[in-house]
Amino acid sequence: EDQVTQSPEALRLQEGESSSLNCSYTVSGLRGLFWYRQDPGKGPEFLFTLYSAGEEKEKERLKATLTKKESFLHITAPKPEDSATYLCAVLQGWGKLQFGAGTQVVVTP
Amino acid sequence: NAGVTQTPKFQVLKTGQSMTLQCAQDMNHEYMSWYRQDPGMGLRLIHYSVGAGITDQGEVPNGYNVSRSTTEDFPLRLLSAAPSQTSVYFCASSYSTGLHNEQFFGPGTRLTVL
Repeated sequence: EDQVTQSPEALRLQEGESSSLNCSYTVSGLRGLFWYRQDPGKGPEFLFTLYSAGEEKEKERLKATLTKKESFLHITAPKPEDSATYLCAVLQGWGKLQFGAGTQVVVTP
Repeated sequence: NAGVTQTPKFQVLKTGQSMTLQCAQDMNHEYMSWYRQDPGMGLRLIHYSVGAGITDQGEVPNGYNVSRSTTEDFPLRLLSAAPSQTSVYFCASSYSTGLHNEQFFGPGTRLTVL
């Protein structure tokens, strides 16, 4: 059975304190791994898609990487506006996404 | 473009009542889906559609019905609401089911069943 596990569940950072979020997965034949950001009371917002081991993508202070078993979302020098829940999901057949439970990130000034 | 819209934003039902959650998109996307989000469990797929007239079940379909008569609309029906259906519901759409298929999410409907 495919599984997506995110850690830690919650992360509290000081502004400027870099850290990484983990998304480990067990799927038969990864077709794609997605990262989303979700603000309270809103729907998930697309960040990145990764397709193969070794691939990396960056957007402002965020960098996503992918290995054969896990993906990392690195947050470099975070700001309070980076506070959100970060979700990862693996792509299954017919466009179906299987999500992890998310990591709630709080960045304090 | 309005993107993906959902109505209502909030709803309270009594056990046994029925209702329809509305979802519409104006991006001419073929693929649409419904998820529910519960604390500590992430988003779980309820039903999805790969085009008008075509729907299929996701991970947690029991108690929900869908239909897709147009490309734009994908309503979710609760036939007889139960407290276990208390959740936040998100509708999503994407251009296709292929690899390069960023999914756009609506703002969600928060449903409480008493």
